[in-house]
Amino acid sequence: GAVVSQHPSWVICKSGTSVKIECRSLDFQATTMFWYRQFPKQSLMLMATSNEGSKATYEQGVEKDKFLINHASLTLSTLTVTSAHPEDSSFYICSARRTGFDYGYTFGSGTRLTVV
Amino acid sequence: GENVEQHPSTLSVQEGDSAVIKCTYSDSASNYFPWYKQELGKGPQLIIDIRSNVGEKKDQRIAVTLNKTAKHFSLHITETQPEDSAVYFCAASIAAGGYQKVTFGIGTKLQVIP
Repeated sequence: GAVVSQHPSWVICKSGTSVKIECRSLDFQATTMFWYRQFPKQSLMLMATSNEGSKATYEQGVEKDKFLINHASLTLSTLTVTSAHPEDSSFYICSARRTGFDYGYTFGSGTRLTVV
Repeated sequence: GENVEQHPSTLSVQEGDSAVIKCTYSDSASNYFPWYKQELGKGPQLIIDIRSNVGEKKDQRIAVTLNKTAKHFSLHITETQPEDSAVYFCAASIAAGGYQKVTFGIGTKLQVIP
């Protein structure tokens, strides 16, 4: 149990376009989802925390208007990278907190974004 | 905010030997310490975790120890196998408004040599 599906697993887009990444909890309800960014050979950096039905909380230095997060249901959160630029190329990973569980968050498999 | 330091950054061991990864954290309010294994191109997978009210936890070949006073925690893998090769991340988390805010270490690339 506790599976998180992230889609797409990889995407290539042109500069200036927008890309949407989906994070779904398949067999549980996720009150809270988290979005991370990971550069090659580096650690995971938290970008934002989203709670179902409310606005996301962004970490310092993360542009809210560039990285749009929507958590419209208990099983789906989306991250939209708007007006993407090559420097946005990275590995984006979501994780989900199972409703009623304080610990043991489950991660998605990640999305490799390449902006050309 | 919380700061987690992890070392070594790379670790090579012979198959069958043990591997130890160490982490320190800065915020004494952190109360949950998960360890994740990440294989190339995949998301992290939780392998073991420990809460602040426990000093040691073991799951088959994997064990984690926690020293709250020193703010140290460690991952021990015994009888290593080639499939243990991956990047391992420690993390410290703190309660923040109904959920746990997790801070990751820099990661340790473990290579198990057959």
